[in-house]
Amino acid sequence: EAGVAQSPRYKIIEKRQSVAFWCNPISGHATLYWYQQILGQGPKLLIQFQNNGVVDDSQLPKDRFSAERLKGVDSTLKIQPAKLEDSAVYLCASSLASGTGELFFGEGSRLTVL
Amino acid sequence: QKEVEQDPGPLSVPEGAIVSLNCTYSNSAFQYFMWYRQYSRKGPELLMYTYSSGNKEDGRFTAQVDKSSKYISLFIRDSQPSDSATYLCAMSGKDTGRRALTFGSGTRLQVQP
Repeated sequence: EAGVAQSPRYKIIEKRQSVAFWCNPISGHATLYWYQQILGQGPKLLIQFQNNGVVDDSQLPKDRFSAERLKGVDSTLKIQPAKLEDSAVYLCASSLASGTGELFFGEGSRLTVL
Repeated sequence: QKEVEQDPGPLSVPEGAIVSLNCTYSNSAFQYFMWYRQYSRKGPELLMYTYSSGNKEDGRFTAQVDKSSKYISLFIRDSQPSDSATYLCAMSGKDTGRRALTFGSGTRLQVQP
């Protein structure tokens, strides 16, 4: 079974530029999450999708971050304009809609904002 | 106060030692408790899962949950250099529509050969 795929793995941009990250969850997983992990910290939830609807985006900085999940499968997370403090690893995870709630993570997209 | 508190370490132990990792939490709605292991430059992977209070053992790993004290632990017996990683505690509530996990900050473990 293929895992959660993310791209790009690494991205370096200047502040005020824009960036987009892509995630393809495990086949059949209805729930998709984007987490932000700053160096030395645990992952922090940015947004949770159930199929293509948003369940929780309370911690998403909506003035600069946006995310979508078209057709309830792939998802894109965009940052525009980026700030220095956005430097982090952006982790995508997916899970079944029911069950234990175990999250399966991708390897992450590491963003450096200069 | 953070919802989940975890000692960041780093924790350095000799090979074969017993390791104890701990988290405390403040939200009494948490029902599902997990431990994830994260190797450098990798995503977290599930190590142990426990529902409500009690103990669970899997090989060299034992997870304990004490809901009355809002305290969870992970014990690693006969630790190996391959156990060197960051260990993240994570927890969530009962509402299946909001199963997003809340993570601790992670404890970095180094097992010296």
